[in-house]
Amino acid sequence: ETGVTQTPRHLVMGMTNKKSLKCEQHLGHNAMYWYKQSAKKPLELMFVYSLEERVENNSVPSRFSPECPNSSHLFLHLHTLQPEDSALYLCASSQIQGLYYGYTFGSGTRLTVV
Amino acid sequence: AQKITQTQPGMFVQEKEAVTLDCTYDTSDQSYGLFWYKQPSSGEMIFLIYQGSYDEQNATEGRYSLNFQKARKSANLVISASQLGDSAMYFCAMREGRGKLVFGAGTILRVKS
Repeated sequence: ETGVTQTPRHLVMGMTNKKSLKCEQHLGHNAMYWYKQSAKKPLELMFVYSLEERVENNSVPSRFSPECPNSSHLFLHLHTLQPEDSALYLCASSQIQGLYYGYTFGSGTRLTVV
Repeated sequence: AQKITQTQPGMFVQEKEAVTLDCTYDTSDQSYGLFWYKQPSSGEMIFLIYQGSYDEQNATEGRYSLNFQKARKSANLVISASQLGDSAMYFCAMREGRGKLVFGAGTILRVKS
């Protein structure tokens, strides 16, 4: 399997639930990213992992907890979310350096918090 | 300061016609890369085309071409012979060296039959 795979594609969860989003890449990339895309808002970069180390956390609430166990996998653990957290969550991967390297994105997880 | 500016929130184009989506960028680096992505309603971000700052020729990929004007710091996407399947959100993005890919706000394109 090639590219970036995200699961699940759709998720509905209650505010008291705990769930995890999964992202897997088979491209040999060494950086991975989580983005949030809310309706009518720009893409928001949430977390950046470089060589499995978190290098950026853009003031994301603690109810979002990322995990990068190895260079191919990235998780986003969710707990006690709010309705305003409903959004499309996109995972991406890239090479760390090389300005000619764009990001390869997964298909996203569409999250609804009820 | 805004690094990537897409001034057209939405555009309409008639099927089979060409359309230009605008993108201007801001950087003091000499080396950078410019990218365009397409996002259909299904959500996935699809890479379309890349232009390097040192590339002398405008990039082309099938019906997509990038009108790169370095002095004006613009990197407009041209889609020729529009198809209904081109209806989507389009994002312009820039990467500087080891930096992150920075995205514009996007332009929604609607192709009319």
